Amino acid sequence: GAGVSQSPSNKVTEKGKDVELRCDPISGHTALYWYRQSLGQGLEFLIYFQGNSAPDKSGLPSDRFSAERTGGSVSTLTIQRTQQEDSAVYLCASSRGGQGQETQYFGPGTRLLVL
Amino acid sequence: GDSVTQMEGPVTLSEEAFLTINCTYTATGYPSLFWYVQYPGEGLQLLLKATKADDKGSNKGFEATYRKETTSFHLEKGSVQVSDSAVYFCALSPVTGGGNKLTFGTGTQLKVEL
Repeated sequence: GAGVSQSPSNKVTEKGKDVELRCDPISGHTALYWYRQSLGQGLEFLIYFQGNSAPDKSGLPSDRFSAERTGGSVSTLTIQRTQQEDSAVYLCASSRGGQGQETQYFGPGTRLLVL
Repeated sequence: GDSVTQMEGPVTLSEEAFLTINCTYTATGYPSLFWYVQYPGEGLQLLLKATKADDKGSNKGFEATYRKETTSFHLEKGSVQVSDSAVYFCALSPVTGGGNKLTFGTGTQLKVEL
């Protein structure tokens, strides 16, 4: 079946602009995650959605970052007033449920470059 | 908080050599442990996992055993191939609370040469 998809695959923006990154999880997966992969920080957790529960936003680096998940499926990560340090690969993952032993399936990522 | 430490890379091996990539963790309770692999130009994919102490995860000739007493989950393969060249990430997730968010190590780049 179809895996996790993300769009766009690449995004170049100017400092100060807002960007939106999209994630389509695997159908039927109730849990969705956003991570960031950068040279300086490695792989970092950003935010987690599980069903209808309030999201776990504990990994968001600043209030410029926000995310929503509509209808329990598609998710959008928004970065406002982008900064050069936001340049990274943003990864989305989904899992069947939210238990610790569940396997997370990752999308190909969106490579963001802030000039 | 939770953390994962894995050996620095890059690691360069000849084909058919034995591979060990060390991984140790700090966490409360009994987390689930994972190895993810990222091949050049591709996304992260699960290589293997173990969800309780003494479990052994295995896939594609790779193995790792969950050692609670040493808080380790070292990755091994008896005979590496050029096609194993990739970046390997050790990760953990808590069993309860905090959802399933993964804490990753810094990654170890493996290069296998003929």
